[in-house]
Amino acid sequence: DAGVIQSPRHEVTEMGQEVTLRCKPISGHDYLFWYRQTMMRGLELLIYFNNNVPIDDSGMPEDRFSAKMPNASFSTLKIQPSEPRDSAVYFCASSSTGQGASYEQYFGPGTRLTVT
Amino acid sequence: EDQVTQSPEALRLQEGESSSLNCSYTVSGLRGLFWYRQDPGKGPEFLFTLYSAGEEKEKERLKATLTKKESFLHITAPKPEDSATYLCAVQAPSSASKIIFGSGTRLSIRP
Repeated sequence: DAGVIQSPRHEVTEMGQEVTLRCKPISGHDYLFWYRQTMMRGLELLIYFNNNVPIDDSGMPEDRFSAKMPNASFSTLKIQPSEPRDSAVYFCASSSTGQGASYEQYFGPGTRLTVT
Repeated sequence: EDQVTQSPEALRLQEGESSSLNCSYTVSGLRGLFWYRQDPGKGPEFLFTLYSAGEEKEKERLKATLTKKESFLHITAPKPEDSATYLCAVQAPSSASKIIFGSGTRLSIRP
């Protein structure tokens, strides 16, 4: 398996622009997670999905952030409008809760977002 | 409040110098504790899962242990390629699929 795939790997945008981050989870995994990592706050969970349904979005910082999972193999995280404080590395992770699964999460390579 | 605290924040060792990283947690009814390794510019990489006090897991020069209040990641005779940030995480009591991460220990091994 190719692992979790994220695109783009790097994104530089100007304040006020819309940003869309993309994620393809590991095939067969039924949970998908979006995280944000900064030096100050570490790794923060933003939102997670189970079988394409959002379960907990309490970590989404504000209404400028939205996430969707239209099918089992694709999810997006959108920021509109973007602000400089949104600059961070955004990770997508997936996990399986099937028989014998132990809930460990597998992470993608991340998208480094810079908002100027 | 459920918390995961890692210490030290940073650790510098000489190649071959063994040591331990600590992860203490305050969650009621621990279901599972995870260790991850993160290299610069990459996503966290899963290492181990521990479920009950007394359990141990090993992988090459790393051994993870678990007590009722903390976990240790022991590194024996480390090499420069073991340099990374090591993250500890626990399953949230409210949802087995959700995990709470600590802030990590940055480990640097000098040749």
